[in-house]
Amino acid sequence: NAGVTQTPKFQVLKTGQSMTLQCAQDMNHNSMYWYRQDPGMGLRLIYYSASEGTTDKGEVPNGYNVSRLNKREFSLRLESAAPSQTSVYFCATRTYTDTQYFGPGTRLTVL
Amino acid sequence: GQQVMQIPQYQHVQEGEDFTTYCNSSTTLSNIQWYKQRPGGHPVFLIQLVKSGEVKKQKRLTFQFGEAKKNSSLHITATQTTDVGTYFCGGEGSNYKLTFGKGTLLTVNP
Repeated sequence: NAGVTQTPKFQVLKTGQSMTLQCAQDMNHNSMYWYRQDPGMGLRLIYYSASEGTTDKGEVPNGYNVSRLNKREFSLRLESAAPSQTSVYFCATRTYTDTQYFGPGTRLTVL
Repeated sequence: GQQVMQIPQYQHVQEGEDFTTYCNSSTTLSNIQWYKQRPGGHPVFLIQLVKSGEVKKQKRLTFQFGEAKKNSSLHITATQTTDVGTYFCGGEGSNYKLTFGKGTLLTVNP
């Protein structure tokens, strides 16, 4: 039982490159979330998926797209990376007690 | 939209001293949750408060939810070096999304 897994753990991109951050869960939770964490800014919601087949924008969606591929997987795509997207990205699921279970994070640097 | 303010942003204490962090929401919350993030780690759930005026304890940690369900606090008695990390509150409104405070970074001098 791995919980929430995220790949890659670390990534360095050049401005304008694209990439997809992967998130998978094995807890059969319905809702999944993508957050970014920047120093002094806390956790800010990028996108979320309340259930398979649905996605909604969060607080800071610009520059990102998401795909809820199935119940297990929720991916975050950066089409044209910018230095302002340098951050730590966390995927999370909503548990049956309405709390959040976070993955280990992806540390992304955009040069 | 819903905003959650958390203070202080940083707190440095000597081991054995007490520590408190506070959260205030701009709107009434259905529940508030507290998370701890160790340096270099990911947020880990600590506790959830649902009822107005609720108080919960976990060993040296005491959590309170205000009567109006708009504010909350986390108090640690006699801090230890293992308490080091950032403590976040997350308030849930009516839309099943958590809005997090910016967190309080606690450092403990042994």
